[in-house]
Amino acid sequence: EVQLVESGGGLVQPGGSLKLSCAASGFTFSGSAMHWVRQASGKGLEWVGRIRSKVNNYATGYAASMQGRFTISRDDSKNMAYLQMNSLKTEDTAVYYCTRGAGCNGGSCHNYGMDVWGQGTTVTVSS
Amino acid sequence: EIVLTQSPGTLSLSPGERATLSCRASQSVSSNFLAWYQQKPGQAPRLLIYGASSRATGIPDRFSGSGSGTDFTLAISRLAPEDFAVYYCQQYGSSPFTFGPGTKVDIK
Repeated sequence: EVQLVESGGGLVQPGGSLKLSCAASGFTFSGSAMHWVRQASGKGLEWVGRIRSKVNNYATGYAASMQGRFTISRDDSKNMAYLQMNSLKTEDTAVYYCTRGAGCNGGSCHNYGMDVWGQGTTVTVSS
Repeated sequence: EIVLTQSPGTLSLSPGERATLSCRASQSVSSNFLAWYQQKPGQAPRLLIYGASSRATGIPDRFSGSGSGTDFTLAISRLAPEDFAVYYCQQYGSSPFTFGPGTKVDIK
């Protein structure tokens, strides 16, 4: 079964840091780009950023409001993706989803948008 | 950054009716990399359509996507009870990969 499971959410004070994890299973993780998307309560979806695969030099990209504060990384040996969040603000309070993006399996590549989503982990930034 | 606008904000329809949702981009979407997602309360989004018009695995054929460039449409031919939800479009052709604000389809 193709699956993504996020963990690491919780309560953190403004200015603090938190690291989210995403455990992948059931697919060739090393060949896939991985994204993070967030959603504040009652609001829409907001793309956070992504990390590409090794063949694409693990290139990263971020939404402007998160650039410089958030860092996405991955460990292909563990089938894990991470979101390191620093200098957190109250407006970063949201459910954070890990999602699968474009990928290659052997010689076949695809770009289906974000076709697999985790269940989300909740981050609350409050004093 | 590509800004996506969705209309209408809310669509009130009865089961069995046809729904037509619009997504307009501020500039052309590269390679028509435009996706539609469905989200129900308390659940993660689910991919419905990718590449503007291709249905994702397991998506019923009552869902169809069309459009190119800057104008895209999601149609639901006959609304089933489980289709009442919020629908988001997203462009994934150029970073940052932006989402539209969503269209809520609720029961009339």
